[in-house]
Amino acid sequence: AQRVTQPEKLLSVFKGAPVELKCNYSYSGSPELFWYVQYSRQRLQLLLRHISRESIKGFTADLNKGETSFHLKKPFAQEEDSAMYYCALSGHSGYSTLTFGKGTMLLVSP
Amino acid sequence: EPEVTQTPSHQVTQMGQEVILRCVPISNHLYFYWYRQILGQKVEFLVSFYNNEISEKSEIFDDQFSVERPDGSNFTLKIRSTKLEDSAMYFCASREISGANVLTFGAGSRLTVL
Repeated sequence: AQRVTQPEKLLSVFKGAPVELKCNYSYSGSPELFWYVQYSRQRLQLLLRHISRESIKGFTADLNKGETSFHLKKPFAQEEDSAMYYCALSGHSGYSTLTFGKGTMLLVSP
Repeated sequence: EPEVTQTPSHQVTQMGQEVILRCVPISNHLYFYWYRQILGQKVEFLVSFYNNEISEKSEIFDDQFSVERPDGSNFTLKIRSTKLEDSAMYFCASREISGANVLTFGAGSRLTVL
């Protein structure tokens, strides 16, 4: 069974502070990991995927297979980063289900 | 940018009534999904659909649920006899046939069962 754990329901930081949203996973094979974001009153959208190894809006995430983690990081948080962040996992097969964590609400205060 | 469109945005219904939620996936996408999110809980997978049949479903997706692609554009979720616990946000998503497992989500349909 595949499982995604996001231990924090809420993370509150000040503008300019570093941010780390934690994500741990359980999967028997080789997973694909994603971060989706939902801004207020907007739809769920892809932020980044581990395969791309890219930085989106200053966010990065590294897949650590030893620790089964895929933490999302940003060195300097901005107010517009305030949103709900979901870590998600799937297998590599095109038929593989995308499984979400419970989400972490990030609040960035001025 | 192409979007997944869902209607209605909010539906209120009485317990026991049938509900149909509609989705128009992105036109060149061939995989379709329904997810739901009960208030305060995580986004949960319900069902995936490909080539006019269900490819996978979760244990939530019992006999009260069905999906259909009645024409070339719509993808519907039907709940035959709604229960109070069906109250949730229902998200439709679609993806291309090739490439990574990247889903594009609709804005969601909020279902309230009274």
